[in-house]
Amino acid sequence: GAVVSQHPSWVICKSGTSVKIECRSLDFQATTMFWYRQFPKQSLMLMATSNEGSKATYEQGVEKDKFLINHASLTLSTLTVTSAHPEDSSFYICSALGGTGVTRGYTFGSGTRLTVV
Amino acid sequence: AQSVTQPDIHITVSEGASLELRCNYSYGATPYLFWYVQSPGQGLQLLLKYFSGDTLVQGIKGFEAEFKRSQSSFNLRKPSVHWSDAAEYFCAVGAPGGYNKLIFGAGTRLAVHP
Repeated sequence: GAVVSQHPSWVICKSGTSVKIECRSLDFQATTMFWYRQFPKQSLMLMATSNEGSKATYEQGVEKDKFLINHASLTLSTLTVTSAHPEDSSFYICSALGGTGVTRGYTFGSGTRLTVV
Repeated sequence: AQSVTQPDIHITVSEGASLELRCNYSYGATPYLFWYVQSPGQGLQLLLKYFSGDTLVQGIKGFEAEFKRSQSSFNLRKPSVHWSDAAEYFCAVGAPGGYNKLIFGAGTRLAVHP
């Protein structure tokens, strides 16, 4: 079945530094990828939608300059948290949309736990 | 506004008992409907989905869900729960007619007693 690899699974960084999270679709091409943020024991909040080769569409309230999303190929999207602060600590999950017909669907990565100290 | 409501934040059942997790949505038209399961620290796994047609949908791991248009509901059921079913369950909706962004409910945490 469709697999999405998200890396790293966890990362600790110092306040003020930047962190890049990768989301790769391993066995299918993903024209669209979604990035979510999940706080402890809460639901997933969509941050942005990225389409290959074009600028990401950010949800209201999400700082596009802080959360940089790049979707340069059909198998890779990256989320860079710039100048991270403790309040950016969260669980980030990507989702890739791929397949055709009955196989079309969303595949989620296993998530990245970001801790900013 | 589009929204998804999962009224039960936490449910505890005994192993072998039946289970029903509730999901209600608010949408202009019948949306695409999904149920996902998430184990701690993991991503989401699709249990089942409904787009149209038969309102009773069968999924993986013995789960099923029933779409009721009149109640704007898409409740998830399982006749006999296993200890391994303990996890967080999310209901989600997407705009009909294509795969678009999903709106997730708050989730229901399921605990299973032996």
